[in-house]
Amino acid sequence: QKEVEQDPGPLSVPEGAIVSLNCTYSNSAFQYFMWYRQYSRKGPELLMYTYSSGNKEDGRFTAQVDKSSKYISLFIRDSQPSDSATYLCAMSAGSGNTPLVFGKGTRLSVIA
Amino acid sequence: GAVVSQHPSWVICKSGTSVKIECRSLDFQATTMFWYRQFPKQSLMLMATSNEGSKATYEQGVEKDKFLINHASLTLSTLTVTSAHPEDSSFYICSAPTLPRPKAFFGQGTRLTVV
Repeated sequence: QKEVEQDPGPLSVPEGAIVSLNCTYSNSAFQYFMWYRQYSRKGPELLMYTYSSGNKEDGRFTAQVDKSSKYISLFIRDSQPSDSATYLCAMSAGSGNTPLVFGKGTRLSVIA
Repeated sequence: GAVVSQHPSWVICKSGTSVKIECRSLDFQATTMFWYRQFPKQSLMLMATSNEGSKATYEQGVEKDKFLINHASLTLSTLTVTSAHPEDSSFYICSAPTLPRPKAFFGQGTRLTVV
């Protein structure tokens, strides 16, 4: 079993739809959870950063963490064509000196 | 958020030459940086962990003599691809955490093409 599982997609939705992206993980030591957005030929951009369980909202984006189920989600409301990108989940047990553990990324296309 | 700047954004070089890629943290000190390689439509592959003032830690299968990493200051790490060959053509990306937290920011990436 891989440490972090993420459906690679591709996921195609119409403009205005609510998008749900998910990752599951096996390491119960993970405490920090991040979502990155990566456009083609660009470096990943940090979208959301959360600690432990709970919800965090930032504009159209909501991150949810359920540590009891080892499951994290990113919701995108009112999706736009500009949201078309690859979304990567990433996790850490806490030490910034060790690299993040990434999911493989989900490719999202928002169709106008 | 914090800013990590990577340069150059793209480079074309001849087979057998060396290429240096720079990664700078602009508004914070980065004692640790990570270097990744990414093939088209694939996820990030960690190559090495760069530590200021000490030797880099390479992932299994990454040739340390081919991919030289230097982290000589608190804001700069460099990756040198030595004696580049066409199979080294790839997208290289650096990242730096804002320690002590693992919140990491990425550079813009460098597209290397070896001809």
